Amino acid sequence: DIVMTQSPDSVAVSLGARASINCKSSQTVFYSPNNKNYLAWYQQKPGQPPNLLIYWASIRESGVPDRFSGSGSGTDFTLTISSLQAEDVAVYYCQQYYTTPLTFGGGTKVEIK
Amino acid sequence: QVQLVQSGAEVKKPGASVKVSCKASGYIFTTYGISWVRQAPGQGLEWMGWISAHHGNTNYAQRLQGRVTMTTDTSTSTAYMEMRSLRSDDTAVYYCARDTPRFGDFVSFDLWGQGTLVTVSS
Repeated sequence: DIVMTQSPDSVAVSLGARASINCKSSQTVFYSPNNKNYLAWYQQKPGQPPNLLIYWASIRESGVPDRFSGSGSGTDFTLTISSLQAEDVAVYYCQQYYTTPLTFGGGTKVEIK
Repeated sequence: QVQLVQSGAEVKKPGASVKVSCKASGYIFTTYGISWVRQAPGQGLEWMGWISAHHGNTNYAQRLQGRVTMTTDTSTSTAYMEMRSLRSDDTAVYYCARDTPRFGDFVSFDLWGQGTLVTVSS
Protein backbone atom coordinates (compact mmCIF):
# COMPACT_ATOMS: atom_id res chain seq x y z
CA ASP A 1 0.00 0.00 0.00
CA ILE A 2 1.14 3.57 -0.63
CA VAL A 3 1.48 5.35 2.70
CA MET A 4 0.71 9.07 2.66
CA THR A 5 2.42 11.08 5.41
CA GLN A 6 1.31 14.62 6.10
CA SER A 7 3.13 17.26 8.10
CA PRO A 8 2.57 19.04 10.33
CA ASP A 9 -0.33 17.45 12.20
CA SER A 10 -1.62 20.94 12.95
CA VAL A 11 -0.64 24.50 12.16
CA ALA A 12 -1.78 27.86 13.54
CA VAL A 13 -1.45 30.82 11.21
CA SER A 14 -2.43 34.46 11.52
CA LEU A 15 -5.23 35.77 9.34
CA GLY A 16 -3.77 36.86 6.01
CA ALA A 17 -0.60 34.83 6.46
CA ARG A 18 0.58 31.86 4.44
CA ALA A 19 -0.05 28.26 5.46
CA SER A 20 1.76 25.30 3.94
CA ILE A 21 0.99 21.62 4.35
CA ASN A 22 3.29 18.86 3.19
CA CYS A 23 2.41 15.40 1.93
CA LYS A 24 4.89 12.64 1.20
CA SER A 25 4.03 9.35 -0.48
CA SER A 26 5.95 6.13 0.19
CA GLN A 27 6.31 5.57 -3.55
CA THR A 28 5.86 7.72 -6.61
CA VAL A 29 2.37 8.69 -7.72
CA PHE A 30 3.67 10.12 -10.99
CA TYR A 31 2.65 8.24 -14.13
CA SER A 32 5.05 9.15 -16.91
CA PRO A 33 2.96 8.03 -19.93
CA ASN A 34 0.47 10.84 -19.24
CA ASN A 35 2.79 13.08 -17.21
CA LYS A 36 0.34 13.26 -14.30
CA ASN A 37 0.67 13.07 -10.55
CA TYR A 38 -2.26 11.14 -9.08
CA LEU A 39 -2.56 13.34 -6.01
CA ALA A 40 -5.52 15.30 -4.66
CA TRP A 41 -6.14 17.64 -1.73
CA TYR A 42 -9.39 17.89 0.22
CA GLN A 43 -10.72 20.28 2.84
CA GLN A 44 -13.04 18.98 5.56
CA LYS A 45 -14.96 21.17 7.96
CA PRO A 46 -16.66 19.73 11.05
CA GLY A 47 -19.80 17.76 10.29
CA GLN A 48 -19.26 17.97 6.53
CA PRO A 49 -17.92 15.60 3.91
CA PRO A 50 -14.52 16.34 2.39
CA ASN A 51 -14.46 18.90 -0.41
CA LEU A 52 -12.10 18.58 -3.37
CA LEU A 53 -9.66 21.48 -3.64
CA ILE A 54 -6.85 20.30 -5.92
CA TYR A 55 -6.45 17.35 -8.30
CA TRP A 56 -3.57 16.13 -10.48
CA ALA A 57 -1.43 17.72 -7.75
CA SER A 58 -1.85 21.29 -8.99
CA ILE A 59 -5.19 21.78 -10.77
CA ARG A 60 -7.64 23.84 -8.75
CA GLU A 61 -11.20 22.50 -8.71
CA SER A 62 -13.83 24.81 -10.14
CA GLY A 63 -15.03 27.31 -7.55
CA VAL A 64 -12.03 26.94 -5.27
CA PRO A 65 -10.47 30.32 -4.36
CA ASP A 66 -7.13 31.03 -6.00
CA ARG A 67 -5.45 31.43 -2.61
CA PHE A 68 -5.28 27.62 -2.62
CA SER A 69 -2.50 26.10 -4.70
CA GLY A 70 -0.87 22.71 -5.02
CA SER A 71 2.67 21.85 -6.06
CA GLY A 72 5.12 18.99 -6.15
CA SER A 73 5.78 15.84 -8.12
CA GLY A 74 6.71 12.22 -7.62
CA THR A 75 6.59 11.68 -3.86
CA ASP A 76 6.61 15.19 -2.35
CA PHE A 77 3.70 17.59 -2.49
CA THR A 78 2.59 20.83 -0.87
CA LEU A 79 -0.73 22.57 -0.40
CA THR A 80 -0.36 26.30 0.14
CA ILE A 81 -2.98 28.75 1.36
CA SER A 82 -1.48 32.09 0.37
CA SER A 83 -3.55 34.33 2.64
CA LEU A 84 -5.46 32.49 5.34
CA GLN A 85 -9.09 33.44 5.82
CA ALA A 86 -11.32 32.56 8.76
CA GLU A 87 -13.37 30.19 6.59
CA ASP A 88 -10.23 28.15 5.82
CA VAL A 89 -10.16 26.69 9.33
CA ALA A 90 -10.52 22.97 8.61
CA VAL A 91 -8.68 19.69 8.34
CA TYR A 92 -6.86 19.11 5.07
CA TYR A 93 -6.13 15.69 3.57
CA CYS A 94 -3.99 14.56 0.69
CA GLN A 95 -4.95 11.44 -1.25
CA GLN A 96 -3.24 9.30 -3.85
CA TYR A 97 -5.35 7.73 -6.57
CA TYR A 98 -2.44 6.14 -8.43
CA THR A 99 -3.27 2.64 -7.31
CA THR A 100 -5.57 0.72 -5.04
CA PRO A 101 -6.00 0.76 -2.18
CA LEU A 102 -6.53 4.48 -2.57
CA THR A 103 -5.01 6.07 0.50
CA PHE A 104 -5.23 9.34 2.41
CA GLY A 105 -2.82 11.22 4.58
CA GLY A 106 -3.59 11.51 8.27
CA GLY A 107 -4.82 15.07 7.96
CA THR A 108 -3.54 18.50 8.96
CA LYS A 109 -5.62 20.77 11.13
CA VAL A 110 -5.37 24.46 10.21
CA GLU A 111 -6.27 26.99 12.88
CA ILE A 112 -6.09 30.73 13.37
CA LYS A 113 -3.28 32.04 15.55
CA GLN B 1 -28.68 19.52 -9.13
CA VAL B 2 -25.72 17.18 -9.15
CA GLN B 3 -25.69 15.35 -5.83
CA LEU B 4 -25.34 12.11 -3.94
CA VAL B 5 -27.90 11.58 -1.18
CA GLN B 6 -27.29 8.86 1.37
CA SER B 7 -29.63 6.95 3.66
CA GLY B 8 -30.06 7.83 7.30
CA ALA B 9 -28.15 6.91 10.43
CA GLU B 10 -28.13 3.32 11.65
CA VAL B 11 -27.56 1.68 15.01
CA LYS B 12 -26.55 -1.97 14.89
CA LYS B 13 -25.48 -4.64 17.34
CA PRO B 14 -22.13 -6.42 16.98
CA GLY B 15 -22.38 -9.22 14.45
CA ALA B 16 -25.21 -7.61 12.52
CA SER B 17 -25.19 -6.26 8.97
CA VAL B 18 -25.88 -2.81 7.58
CA LYS B 19 -26.72 -1.61 4.09
CA VAL B 20 -26.18 2.04 3.21
CA SER B 21 -27.60 3.58 0.04
CA CYS B 22 -26.32 6.45 -2.09
CA LYS B 23 -28.69 7.91 -4.67
CA ALA B 24 -27.20 9.90 -7.51
CA SER B 25 -28.96 12.68 -9.37
CA GLY B 26 -28.09 15.39 -11.87
CA TYR B 27 -25.65 13.30 -13.89
CA ILE B 28 -25.61 10.09 -15.88
CA PHE B 29 -25.01 7.46 -13.22
CA THR B 30 -23.50 4.84 -15.51
CA THR B 31 -20.74 7.14 -16.78
CA TYR B 32 -19.06 7.10 -13.38
CA GLY B 33 -18.20 4.80 -10.54
CA ILE B 34 -18.66 5.13 -6.80
CA SER B 35 -16.08 4.78 -4.08
CA TRP B 36 -16.95 4.33 -0.43
CA VAL B 37 -14.89 6.03 2.27
CA ARG B 38 -15.36 5.82 6.01
CA GLN B 39 -14.27 7.99 8.90
CA ALA B 40 -14.22 6.76 12.47
CA PRO B 41 -15.01 9.40 15.13
CA GLY B 42 -12.20 11.94 15.31
CA GLN B 43 -10.12 9.95 12.82
CA GLY B 44 -8.98 10.22 9.21
CA LEU B 45 -10.37 8.90 5.96
CA GLU B 46 -10.26 5.25 4.94
CA TRP B 47 -11.04 4.07 1.42
CA MET B 48 -13.22 0.96 1.49
CA GLY B 49 -13.63 0.10 -2.14
CA TRP B 50 -14.98 1.02 -5.55
CA ILE B 51 -17.70 -0.08 -7.92
CA SER B 52 -18.19 0.82 -11.56
CA ALA B 53 -21.74 1.94 -12.20
CA HIS B 54 -21.07 1.11 -15.85
CA HIS B 55 -19.86 -2.48 -15.55
CA GLY B 56 -20.56 -3.40 -11.95
CA ASN B 57 -16.90 -4.31 -11.46
CA THR B 58 -15.67 -3.94 -7.91
CA ASN B 59 -12.40 -3.56 -6.03
CA TYR B 60 -12.36 -3.79 -2.24
CA ALA B 61 -9.79 -2.82 0.34
CA GLN B 62 -8.11 -6.04 1.35
CA ARG B 63 -8.73 -5.54 5.06
CA LEU B 64 -12.47 -5.45 4.42
CA GLN B 65 -12.56 -8.22 1.84
CA GLY B 66 -15.19 -10.78 2.71
CA ARG B 67 -17.21 -8.43 4.90
CA VAL B 68 -18.20 -5.75 2.40
CA THR B 69 -20.25 -5.90 -0.78
CA MET B 70 -20.88 -2.98 -3.10
CA THR B 71 -23.67 -3.02 -5.66
CA THR B 72 -25.55 -0.64 -7.90
CA ASP B 73 -29.10 -0.39 -9.21
CA THR B 74 -28.88 1.51 -12.49
CA SER B 75 -32.68 1.73 -12.75
CA THR B 76 -32.72 4.03 -9.70
CA SER B 77 -29.17 5.43 -9.99
CA THR B 78 -28.41 4.12 -6.54
CA ALA B 79 -25.27 2.55 -5.11
CA TYR B 80 -25.26 0.33 -2.05
CA MET B 81 -22.64 -0.69 0.46
CA GLU B 82 -23.36 -3.65 2.71
CA MET B 83 -21.11 -4.59 5.59
CA ARG B 84 -21.50 -7.80 7.56
CA SER B 85 -20.26 -9.08 10.92
CA LEU B 86 -20.12 -5.56 12.31
CA ARG B 87 -17.75 -4.79 15.15
CA SER B 88 -17.52 -1.79 17.46
CA ASP B 89 -14.58 -0.45 15.48
CA ASP B 90 -16.80 -0.24 12.39
CA THR B 91 -18.53 2.70 14.06
CA ALA B 92 -17.95 5.52 11.61
CA VAL B 93 -19.45 7.95 9.15
CA TYR B 94 -19.67 6.23 5.78
CA TYR B 95 -19.43 8.36 2.64
CA CYS B 96 -20.03 7.59 -1.01
CA ALA B 97 -18.06 9.61 -3.57
CA ARG B 98 -18.18 9.84 -7.35
CA ASP B 99 -15.28 8.08 -9.02
CA THR B 100 -14.11 6.63 -12.32
CA PRO B 101 -16.13 4.05 -14.21
CA ARG B 102 -12.93 2.20 -15.23
CA PHE B 103 -10.71 0.23 -12.90
CA GLY B 104 -7.11 1.39 -12.99
CA ASP B 105 -8.00 4.85 -14.23
CA PHE B 106 -8.87 6.39 -10.91
CA VAL B 107 -9.66 10.05 -10.39
CA SER B 108 -10.14 12.42 -7.48
CA PHE B 109 -13.53 12.54 -5.76
CA ASP B 110 -15.34 15.64 -6.97
CA LEU B 111 -18.73 14.80 -5.48
CA TRP B 112 -19.51 13.33 -2.05
CA GLY B 113 -22.61 12.18 -0.24
CA GLN B 114 -23.51 13.83 3.05
CA GLY B 115 -22.42 10.80 5.05
CA THR B 116 -24.22 8.11 7.04
CA LEU B 117 -23.35 7.49 10.67
CA VAL B 118 -23.29 3.79 11.51
CA THR B 119 -23.02 3.06 15.22
CA VAL B 120 -22.19 -0.45 16.34
CA SER B 121 -22.99 -0.99 19.98
CA SER B 122 -24.41 -3.69 22.20
